[in-house]
Amino acid sequence: KQEVTQIPAALSVPEGENLVLNCSFTDSAIYNLQWFRQDPGKGLTSLLLIQSSQREQTSGRLNASLDKSSGRSTLYIAASQPGDSATYLCATTNFGNEKLTFGTGTRLTIIP
Amino acid sequence: NAGVTQTPKFQVLKTGQSMTLQCAQDMNHNSMYWYRQDPGMGLRLIYYSASEGTTDKGEVPNGYNVSRLNKREFSLRLESAAPSQTSVYFCASSVRQGFNYGYTFGSGTRLTVV
Repeated sequence: KQEVTQIPAALSVPEGENLVLNCSFTDSAIYNLQWFRQDPGKGLTSLLLIQSSQREQTSGRLNASLDKSSGRSTLYIAASQPGDSATYLCATTNFGNEKLTFGTGTRLTIIP
Repeated sequence: NAGVTQTPKFQVLKTGQSMTLQCAQDMNHNSMYWYRQDPGMGLRLIYYSASEGTTDKGEVPNGYNVSRLNKREFSLRLESAAPSQTSVYFCASSVRQGFNYGYTFGSGTRLTVV
């Protein structure tokens, strides 16, 4: 059974800093890994998707990397802004299975 | 607006009461899901429906039933609510996009069982 963990559970950083969020998974036989953003009272929004054959994906100030062999992914946020404050969740899927297995989430606060 | 609509947004139940959480999507997606989110545990899958008329258990199905009424609607029923079912419930749908799936989530139902 896939287990996905995110550490730390909460993180506060001053505005402008670069930061890294971590995601680890126990079963390396993943099909892909996604990073989602969750704002209070709202649903989840997909940020980046990395295929199992890829090493990284970039979108604007966000860069997600994947190391399947070690069971790790990181989400790098450059030049953080107060609007980046949210909960970030990673999730995996396995081959032939569209169901997502979510991590425990990291609540990020950017201090103005 | 296109998307996934959940009702109600908030609900307080007494232990033993029953209720149905409603979910509807207007994007013609085949697959629909119910997740619960608890502090420190991420989202856990309760039930899943790959198409109209089919449902499968997820990671935490005990105490819940579901019904895929048609392609648009997927409801979650609590027959006898328990305090352990206090949680935020999310409905989602997905559609194939190339080799992957794109997911759309509702805004959640916050349920408190006292």
